[in-house]
Amino acid sequence: DGGITQSPKYLFRKEGQNVTLSCEQNLNHDAMYWYRQDPGQGLRLIYYSQIVNDFQKGDIAEGYSVSREKKESFPLTVTSAQKNPTAFYLCASSMETYSNQPQHFGDGTRLSIL
Amino acid sequence: AQSVTQLGSHVSVSEGALVLLRCNYSSSVPPYLFWYVQYPNQGLQLLLKYTSAATLVKGINGFEAEFKKSETSFHLTKPSAHMSDAAEYFCAVHTGNQFYFGTGTSLTVIP
Repeated sequence: DGGITQSPKYLFRKEGQNVTLSCEQNLNHDAMYWYRQDPGQGLRLIYYSQIVNDFQKGDIAEGYSVSREKKESFPLTVTSAQKNPTAFYLCASSMETYSNQPQHFGDGTRLSIL
Repeated sequence: AQSVTQLGSHVSVSEGALVLLRCNYSSSVPPYLFWYVQYPNQGLQLLLKYTSAATLVKGINGFEAEFKKSETSFHLTKPSAHMSDAAEYFCAVHTGNQFYFGTGTSLTVIP
């Protein structure tokens, strides 16, 4: 079955440490997205990518970085510059950005601070 | 700027009662509209989508939503709530190259 795989499901970060969240999709989708979810705030866009080797900042990109070297992969790095990283992180993909196709979501990674 | 407003962050209904979750959007062009459901510690699952083919859209699990352009609304309904409907529901708008999500409505179903 096609889908989006996020790993790990739970992740702990020490102070001053960078951590990387994995997102892989086998849906052959062009566009991929990273969202942060905090209680009562819905989903906030961190980064998105419409094509390999290209990505754009979302509303809350500070303290995060991404890469898109392969169509199926869009890893997110939470850097030490992100002072409040505790949240639920969701990766999504869609067939293309300018279409009526919905986003498909992974099951998320919950990041906590040690 | 686009925005999505979900009125009521928490809604409680009795099992078997009507479910009504409200969503209003602002968009300068006709948008694509979606409803998603999220269970604890999981990602979002698509319930239904509006893409201008019909104003009344039927989705999975007995849910449906009606697009009302004059009211810029896309409210989600289900005639009879089931215990398994307890979850978080998100309305989303897709315009241009981005998706915009509401802040979600948590649905509680009372036995």
